[in-house]
Amino acid sequence: DQQVKQNSPSLSVQEGRISILNCDYTNSMFDYFLWYKKYPAEGPTFLISISSIKDKNEDGRFTVFLNKSAKHLSLHIVPSQPGDSAVYFCAASAYNFNKFYFGSGTKLNVKP
Amino acid sequence: NAGVMQNPRHLVRRRGQEARLRCSPMKGHSHVYWYRQLPEEGLKFVYLQKENIIDESGMPKERFSAEFPKEGPSILRIQQVVRGDSAAYFCASSPSGGPNQPQHFGDGTRLSIL
Repeated sequence: DQQVKQNSPSLSVQEGRISILNCDYTNSMFDYFLWYKKYPAEGPTFLISISSIKDKNEDGRFTVFLNKSAKHLSLHIVPSQPGDSAVYFCAASAYNFNKFYFGSGTKLNVKP
Repeated sequence: NAGVMQNPRHLVRRRGQEARLRCSPMKGHSHVYWYRQLPEEGLKFVYLQKENIIDESGMPKERFSAEFPKEGPSILRIQQVVRGDSAAYFCASSPSGGPNQPQHFGDGTRLSIL
C-alpha cells in the first residue's frame, strides 16, 4: 500500500527555469513532510521540510508547498541549476509514528 | 563529526547464503533505521531501533533480523537470501526520533544475489 506517491518518474528542465516536483499522499494522519535529494551511489540527504500547520516553507532556491485538502505537496526549485540534477524523494510521517513513508522518487535533469 | 557509515558498500551472495550489513550511526544518535530500495522503487522502511523500542513492522518475516549492540555497529542480517533481496539497503540515524528530526543516511550497501 503506497501511502506516498510521486507519479512522475522523471523531469527535465532547462537551467535557470523553475523545477516543480509533485507528491501526493493518502494518509490524513501525516503531519510532517520532507524532501530528500539523492545522487547516484550516495545516500539521500535532507533538503527541506514542512509541518502540516504551514502551507509554505522556503529555504533559498527551494520552496515546499503543502495543500492539505488535496493531500498534495510540491517542491519548487528556482532557478534550477545543473547541480540540482538528482533523484528527489518526498517522505511523510506523523508525531506518533515510528517511521517515514517515502515516495518512489522523481529523477530531475537540469540541462545547461 | 563522521556521518553514518555503512559497510560493505557492495556485497555479493549466492542464493541460500547469509548477508550481514553493518551500520555505524552518527555519534549521539539514538535512533537507527534500515530502509530497502528495490530497483526503480522508493525507500521502504524495514526496521527501527531506538533504545529498548524496536519497530520491525517493515521486516520481511523469518529471514530478516537486526542487532543494535551498545558497542559496535548495528547489523541487519538476512538469512537464506533469495534473488528478490537484491537491493540497496540504507541505514539512517537521528538524534531522538520524531518526524521533525531529519534522518541522516549512509551511502548504502548494494546487495546482489547470484
